[in-house]
Amino acid sequence: DADVTQTPRNRITKTGKRIMLECSQTKGHDRMYWYRQDPGLGLRLIYYSFDVKDINKGEISDGYSVSRQAQAKFSLSLESAIPNQTALYFCATSDPSRDHPQHFGDGTRLSIL
Amino acid sequence: GQNIDQPTEMTATEGAIVQINCTYQTSGFNGLFWYQQHAGEAPTFLSYNVLDGLEEKGRFSSFLSRSKGYSYLLLKELQMKDSASYLCAVFSLANAGKSTFGDGTTLTVKP
Repeated sequence: DADVTQTPRNRITKTGKRIMLECSQTKGHDRMYWYRQDPGLGLRLIYYSFDVKDINKGEISDGYSVSRQAQAKFSLSLESAIPNQTALYFCATSDPSRDHPQHFGDGTRLSIL
Repeated sequence: GQNIDQPTEMTATEGAIVQINCTYQTSGFNGLFWYQQHAGEAPTFLSYNVLDGLEEKGRFSSFLSRSKGYSYLLLKELQMKDSASYLCAVFSLANAGKSTFGDGTTLTVKP
């Protein structure tokens, strides 16, 4: 079983719809992140959480919201989807120690028509 | 601010050696990660450099010069499966303990 699981893996929806992407992890990491990746570009941070009571905006949080339901679960919502939110979304986790890299889920490919 | 530069694309021949550079100007620096990402897949960890010098791990090596704000990833004995994007990421406690990613270098290995 994957250590970081994202659902759904693919989603096609229409402009204006509310969408939730879910992420769960079995690594026991406190830190969780949501990124989006557009073709040919790197990872841009949307939101991050360093523990259940800690939620922080990343560089591109407008139009998104998150919920940290438990240490193992971190969900991303698009309240009213728009076409330029079409992208590949990744959830990641990391150990608080600075020497530990981020572990990524397999991604959610989201298309908004 | 955070600024990380990598070449967009590189091409190399199977069996050859390739060096992928990464330069950075960031507010604070505690370490630099390299990740590999095959098309449509998740990034996976390759290496982490904290101190100046070369870290070798099999066919892959990573170098860091903190004074020059420079790192490179060296891939030896290239294989077709090495065709992927390679992302460098700077970790900084001054940046709230987050990593900032470069846009990645897409490497194509040709027969």
